[in-house]
Amino acid sequence: RKEVEQDPGPFNVPEGATVAFNCTYSNSASQSFFWYRQDCRKEPKLLMSVYSSGNEDGRFTAQLNRASQYISLLIRDSKLSDSATYLCVVNLGAGKSTFGDGTTLTVKP
Amino acid sequence: NAGVMQNPRHLVRRRGQEARLRCSPMKGHSHVYWYRQLPEEGLKFMVYLQKENIIDESGMPKERFSAEFPKEGPSILRIQQVVRGDSAAYFCASSRQGIDTQYFGPGTRLTVL
Repeated sequence: RKEVEQDPGPFNVPEGATVAFNCTYSNSASQSFFWYRQDCRKEPKLLMSVYSSGNEDGRFTAQLNRASQYISLLIRDSKLSDSATYLCVVNLGAGKSTFGDGTTLTVKP
Repeated sequence: NAGVMQNPRHLVRRRGQEARLRCSPMKGHSHVYWYRQLPEEGLKFMVYLQKENIIDESGMPKERFSAEFPKEGPSILRIQQVVRGDSAAYFCASSRQGIDTQYFGPGTRLTVL
């Protein structure tokens, strides 16, 4: 079993749609959690950190469920510019971060 | 406030040559990480370093690969006797502390002919 597993995708959605990505992790000692996006195999860029209380940044909402070892990302009102690969990242502390393989999103007009 | 810098951005080597990839972390960051992304695959952790110390090299291939982060200067990822399978994008990231957000450089695309 992989340490971090994501929905394989790809997700193809029309503009304006709401889309949700899921991610599960296996190590209960994981300490911090992030979503990154990666465009066309350029460098990953931080989208948002994920907290147990949930956090929102504009059209993006991230949620963490420690009991179920589950992280989610919700994108509302999808834009063409949201097309990218979304990476779930779990940090064990001591510098050890594990990246999921990513979920590809394509938003179509 | 410059971000993470990597050079070269593109590197072409013939089989058997050496490749040296350099990474300068963001100002104020003393933790450096190297990742490899093979074509059509996800990011894979290679090594985590602090100044003059390798903290975690569990993702490094056992042979031909080495990394350092000297007291002065950039971090270096060195690949000796490259093979075609080493062709990949190599990303460096840095953070202020080991648990903090990692910020990525633009990567070095290595092509082995």
